[in-house]
Amino acid sequence: KAGVTQTPRYLIKTRGQQVTLSCSPISGHRSVSWYQQTPGQGLQFLFEYFSETQRNKGNFPGRFSGRQFSNSRSEMNVSTLELGDSALYLCASSDEQGSDTQYFGPGTRLTVL
Amino acid sequence: QKEVEQNSGPLSVPEGAIASLNCTYSDRGSQSFFWYRQYSGKSPELIMSIYSNGDKEDGRFTAQLNKASQYVSLLIRDSQPSDSATYLCAVDQTGANNLFFGTGTRLTVIP
Repeated sequence: KAGVTQTPRYLIKTRGQQVTLSCSPISGHRSVSWYQQTPGQGLQFLFEYFSETQRNKGNFPGRFSGRQFSNSRSEMNVSTLELGDSALYLCASSDEQGSDTQYFGPGTRLTVL
Repeated sequence: QKEVEQNSGPLSVPEGAIASLNCTYSDRGSQSFFWYRQYSGKSPELIMSIYSNGDKEDGRFTAQLNKASQYVSLLIRDSQPSDSATYLCAVDQTGANNLFFGTGTRLTVIP
């Protein structure tokens, strides 16, 4: 099976802009989780979607949002970008909701100038 | 108190030695435990998952879980230079694919 794919791989934006990142899970996986990784904070959970419903949300401001489509593909959106949003954004998929192994995509490196 | 704690290292071991990586977690109700390896500039790659107390072995890797002590460890036997990476301990506290990660331990295996 093909792994988790994320697009784009690299992105440069300026403060105040918005950005949309895309994630395609492993075929058959219905759960998609998003994480932010920064040198200072490490890996932090953003939110998780299962069957088009957001089941869990981490401690991030409302500028961070996401959605999942019927084919399990997911997008996350960050509005009004801030310099501190510069990070590696990772999505992970698993084939069950709850305590199942998550497999990570290659990530999207976002740089906010 | 951090949810998941790891020694940041760096941890250096000679080639062929055993590398021991440790992790403690705060939520006693945690259900699932994972070790990921992350090479510089790459995404985390799953090494082991463990759900029950005791040891779980997979090749050169052994994960150990002690829920009473809220402690998870990873042993790497016969360490190779290719094992040099950051090792991330992850805990699923809610049972809903919400992983809490430690800050990672950087391991260097010296040839």
